[in-house]
Parts: sequence; structure tokens; C-alpha cells
Amino acid sequence: DTAVSQTPKYLVTQMGNDKSIKCEQNLGHDTMYWYKQDSKKFLKIMFSYNNKELIINETVPNRFSPKSPDKAHLNLHINSLELGDSAVYFCASSQVPQHLNTEAFFGQGTRLTVV
Amino acid sequence: AQTVTQSQPEMSVQEAETVTLSCTYDTSENNYYLFWYKQPPSRQMILVIRQEAYKQQNATENRFSVNFQKAAKSFSLKISDSQLGDTAMYFCAFSITSGTYKYIFGTGTRLKVLA
Repeated sequence: DTAVSQTPKYLVTQMGNDKSIKCEQNLGHDTMYWYKQDSKKFLKIMFSYNNKELIINETVPNRFSPKSPDKAHLNLHINSLELGDSAVYFCASSQVPQHLNTEAFFGQGTRLTVV
Repeated sequence: AQTVTQSQPEMSVQEAETVTLSCTYDTSENNYYLFWYKQPPSRQMILVIRQEAYKQQNATENRFSVNFQKAAKSFSLKISDSQLGDTAMYFCAFSITSGTYKYIFGTGTRLKVLA
């Protein structure tokens, strides 16, 4: 069973389009994250949700809108895609934040290519 | 500001030899956890080892061990008896709370194990 699953794994789309990436975790975790990994492999947090509530929005453009319908899901919707949005997007989850002795579990990533 | 620095963008090691990857971090927190993640070409982020900041004893996991120097804010990873399957990007990270829940990653070290 996949602990954190993202769909799709690959996404190629044209500039200006709107697209969504879905993420689901079956670990019973309270906290979910979206990370962006750029072409230089730098992993930067975008959003963090705890119990469906937004905790972190790290200066991400308004075109990016996360949605958490329940604790097990955190989807990422991107409007008006730009070339600079091309990257690998990782979803992750972890236990409640105060339980620091737990690692983040990552999905396999979604490689987004904007042409 | 909380940052993680990995000063070695690339490293190589002969199979069966030992290699050490360096990591330094900066935080004003007293309680935090440190992690090393591995990202092979498959893109999957895999936890290698973790260390509780309040523990002085260095963590070990089979061929992987850390040298944690809290005062120096240093957290290096030693891989013994390197194997070809160890070839990957390695990311150092730490987790914090303080009202925000996130894992902060370094820029990664690309390790290549040579046959």
C-alpha cells in the first residue's frame, strides 16, 4: 500500500492553463505539505496544513491554491500556469507537529512541465 | 532565520569505501529533529536516518551513522561500506514547530558510488 500517493506523476501543459495535482495519505497523519523542487534540486516548502487548516503559506503566488477536503487529502490547484512553474512538486505528510520524532513521508512527486 | 547548508554539491566514493557528507544548520530553537533523506533517480524521498536534538548519542542505522555536534550545529552523515545503490541525492533537513510546521531542507549533495 502506498503511504502517500500523488497523481499524476507527470503533467505537461501549456502556459495559461489551469491544472490540479492530487495527494492522498493513508497514514492517519494530521499534517500535510506541498514542496516544490526546482531544476537545481532545491526543496522548498510551499504550504503546510494541519487538520485541514492552512498553517504555512510561504510567499507562494495566489495562482497556487491548496485545498484540503479532509485530513487525508491535500490537493494543489494552479491557475494560469507559467513557464517558471515547471518543477517537481512533492506532497508529504507527518504526524502532529509536536511529535517531532517522526519523519515526513513523501509522495513520488509530480513532474510539471509548462510549455 | 532557519537554514540548512550542505557545502558539498557533489561527491564520489569507491564501492566499499566510507564517505562523509557534511551539513550545518542554523536555528534558534532548542528542540528539533534532524534528518537525512535520500533521493535516488526514481525521485522518491526516502528517510535514511534521524537524530533527536536533545540526545547526545549519535544515531546509527546499519551502514549509516551521524556525527551530531549540537554546539557547532553540525550534522554529518557517514556511509560505510558504500554500495552502488547508495548513489543518490542526499538532503539534510530539520523539523521545527514554534507555531509553524515544516521541514527545512538543505540544497543536497549528489553522491556517486563508483564500481
